[in-house]
Amino acid sequence: DGGITQSPKYLFRKEGQNVTLSCEQNLNHDAMYWYRQDPGQGLRLIYYSQIVNDFQKGDIAEGYSVSREKKESFPLTVTSAQKNPTAFYLCASSILEGSAFFGQGTRLTVV
Amino acid sequence: GDSVTQMEGPVTLSEEAFLTINCTYTATGYPSLFWYVQYPGEGLQLLLKATKADDKGSNKGFEATYRKETTSFHLEKGSVQVSDSAVYFCALMDIKAAGNKLTFGGGTRVLVKP
Repeated sequence: DGGITQSPKYLFRKEGQNVTLSCEQNLNHDAMYWYRQDPGQGLRLIYYSQIVNDFQKGDIAEGYSVSREKKESFPLTVTSAQKNPTAFYLCASSILEGSAFFGQGTRLTVV
Repeated sequence: GDSVTQMEGPVTLSEEAFLTINCTYTATGYPSLFWYVQYPGEGLQLLLKATKADDKGSNKGFEATYRKETTSFHLEKGSVQVSDSAVYFCALMDIKAAGNKLTFGGGTRVLVKP
């Protein structure tokens, strides 16, 4: 079955650590996205990529980094520079000019 | 830049009531418009979409019409069920102005009581 897979579902990070969230899609979509969702809040765009080896900052890119070395994969690294990383992270993909498919999300907690 | 504004929730309804969620947008070009739904603890699912003015998107009894003159894309359902309880997000994609950037509103929580 085609789809978009995020892992892990739950992730715990110690203060000062970098962590990487995985996002893989087998839909052959060109565009991929990372969003952050805080409790009771909407989605804020962190980074997006329209093509392999290219990506753009979204509205809240500070403290995050991404790579797009393969069409299927768009990992997000939450660095120690992100001061308030506890949140629900959503990855999505779409064809160009199309609607998006979302993963099930990763809930990151700083302990 | 592009933006989407939704009515704040929560919206609490009784089963079989009529639901309207207002959504207005600001865009420099001619965006495609979407409604997504999120059930607790899950990602978002596309509910419906419209790609040009006067288009009507519909799915599962929900409808929304792309109104360019009022820059709106209000979501409606004539008779809600308990299973419609979720958070609803309005979104836009303005290809010519911002490539594939997908911009969301703040979401509206809907609670349907039996």
